[in-house]
Parts: sequence; C-alpha cells; structure tokens
Amino acid sequence: AQKITQTQPGMFVQEKEAVTLDCTYDTSDPSYGLFWYKQPSSGEMIFLIYQGSYDQQNATEGRYSLNFQKARKSANLVISASQLGDSAMYFCAMREPGGSQGNLIFGKGTKLSVKP
Amino acid sequence: DTGVSQDPRHKITKRGQNVTFRCDPISEHNRLYWYRQTLGQGPEFLTYFQNEAQLEKSRLLSDRFSAERPKGSFSTLEIQRTEQGDSAMYLCASSLRGTSNGELFFGEGSRLTVL
Repeated sequence: AQKITQTQPGMFVQEKEAVTLDCTYDTSDPSYGLFWYKQPSSGEMIFLIYQGSYDQQNATEGRYSLNFQKARKSANLVISASQLGDSAMYFCAMREPGGSQGNLIFGKGTKLSVKP
Repeated sequence: DTGVSQDPRHKITKRGQNVTFRCDPISEHNRLYWYRQTLGQGPEFLTYFQNEAQLEKSRLLSDRFSAERPKGSFSTLEIQRTEQGDSAMYLCASSLRGTSNGELFFGEGSRLTVL
C-alpha cells in the first residue's frame, strides 16, 4: 500500500492566486513527520515546510502553509500568491520513527504550472 | 554557504560498464543519504550513513551497488555492470543529527543514462 498519495499529477494556477496541493498519508504510528519539497527543472529538491504529528498548530513558512488534518491523514500544501517561479514538481514526504532518521518516503509528486 | 554538491551531473554509459558518483555534503552534516528517482516518481531511499558508518540499506540496493563514506565526509556510489533499468537520477542529501525536524538538504543529482 502506498504510504504517501498525491492524487494530482498536474495542477494549473493563475499568477497571484492561491493553490492547494493534496497529500494523504498512511501510517499506524502516532509519531511521524511530514515534509513538502519543491523540485524545479534543475533537479535539486528544495525543502519547503515541515509538520510534526504532535504539532498543535499548522506549519507556515512565508507563502507556504500546511493544512494538517490528522484524523483524515491529510497534509495539503497551500501556496498563496503564486509566482511564476513556483512552477515545479512538488513532493510530499513522510518520515516514520520506525524507519531510519531521514529515511523519507515520497509521493509521486504534483507538477504545478503557474500561468501569467 | 556551500550546499550539497554531486559529480558528475550527467553520465551516459553503455550497459555493462561501471559508473561512480560522488557526493560532497554540507560540511558540518554528519548524515548522508542516497536516493534514486526515476521518471514520474518521487525519490526512493537507497542507503544512509552516519559519519563513516553505513547504517541502513534499502532492498533496492542490489549487489551491483556499493556506497562508501570512508572518512565521514564525501561519499561515493558505485554501480557495477550497469543495466538499462539503472537509468535514473541519483540524489544525495545530507542532514545534521539532532535538528528538530531532520530536514534533508539535497544536491542537484547525478543523472545516469544506460544505453
């Protein structure tokens, strides 16, 4: 069974609008961490935001926020005021404590295209 | 500020040849990871080191793959007798043990094409 599911292969958004990228996860462990990474065409994976399973507040980092719904096992990324430079692949990832520290399990990604 | 660097960025080889990739992590990071990413997929974990010790290997890491981190600094990933199925992007990442979220810092990857 997939541990991380990203159901949107591709998304389009108009510049300056907000967009939500979906991510659901599957784990039976109460302690885990959720990450979002951006991968532009250059190939480098760029860390965006982190949410711990015990964090009370939804994580925010500048224009990025994570809509964490624990009961639904979802961790959607919200990008506000989209910019042309936001066009990239976006990956949701999970780290389970049973795995090695840093052994992240990634979803298949969502390709975001920002239209001018 | 020097990030994670990988070399070479691109490698084209014929089936059956050996290839080696190098990764230089962020200098103070004690953990180093290798991932493989094929087209249309997210990165898949291969192996990781803490200092010079290789602490975990994925089932994806067949006998033809070997990774080393001899002095706890840079790492090499060697693939022997390459097969067409080895064609992928090989990503290296590093992190510092003890940070709150264990964020991984990735390099730009080494793209391997096996003809």
